Amino acid sequence: QVQLVQSGAEMKRSGASVRISCRTSKDVSTTLFIHWLRQVPGQGLEWMGVINSVQGSTFYSAAFQRRFTLTKDTSTNILYLELSSLTSDDTAIYYCARRDAEGFYDIWGQGTLLTVSS
Amino acid sequence: QSVLTQPPSVSGASGQTVIISCTGSHSNLARFPVHWYQQFPNSTPKLLIYSNYRRPSGVPDRFSGSKSGTSASLTISGLQSEDEADYYCHCYDDDLSGSVFGGGTKLTVL
Repeated sequence: QVQLVQSGAEMKRSGASVRISCRTSKDVSTTLFIHWLRQVPGQGLEWMGVINSVQGSTFYSAAFQRRFTLTKDTSTNILYLELSSLTSDDTAIYYCARRDAEGFYDIWGQGTLLTVSS
Repeated sequence: QSVLTQPPSVSGASGQTVIISCTGSHSNLARFPVHWYQQFPNSTPKLLIYSNYRRPSGVPDRFSGSKSGTSASLTISGLQSEDEADYYCHCYDDDLSGSVFGGGTKLTVL
């Protein structure tokens, strides 16, 4: 059973950048399609994009692709979400999640709260 | 503005049945399976129903799902106070080439 463990809460100033990590329990040779989702406090879930954990190929939501990048560490099982030019609108909980072949998210990271202040 | 449309809130008395609707379009629900998640305050979403009506292991059979055309529904029967949570529908969208969600429905058990 795959487990996803995310990095801890972050507090940043407007204009700064942040990198949130998601560590998978699988070895680096096991392909996982890891999706990133955002949830603004009190609001719904939004899909941001997906990364192939082995190849590193990515696909981004048109709504988010301008300021964020999905990457992976080439030698470990850690995936990253990098956000730049942060604004208060980026204050949210960010989740990584494994998408099953049938399309549902069955395994979630615990979420990382990002707070951006001016 | 969510791509899938859900009522913001529903309520029902303990023991009763509630239905949460999810409305989409030709590019999502009409073509792809719908999935439902349950989320308690300050918690991670949990898969509740997948592929329209299937239940993951451990989900009570009080929870059921269905889909027809561009609409889907989650039915919760025999309501219990512990069912109070937010519920989200989720589907793939062909036009957007990615996942789309409903705005979420807050269930209150009276």
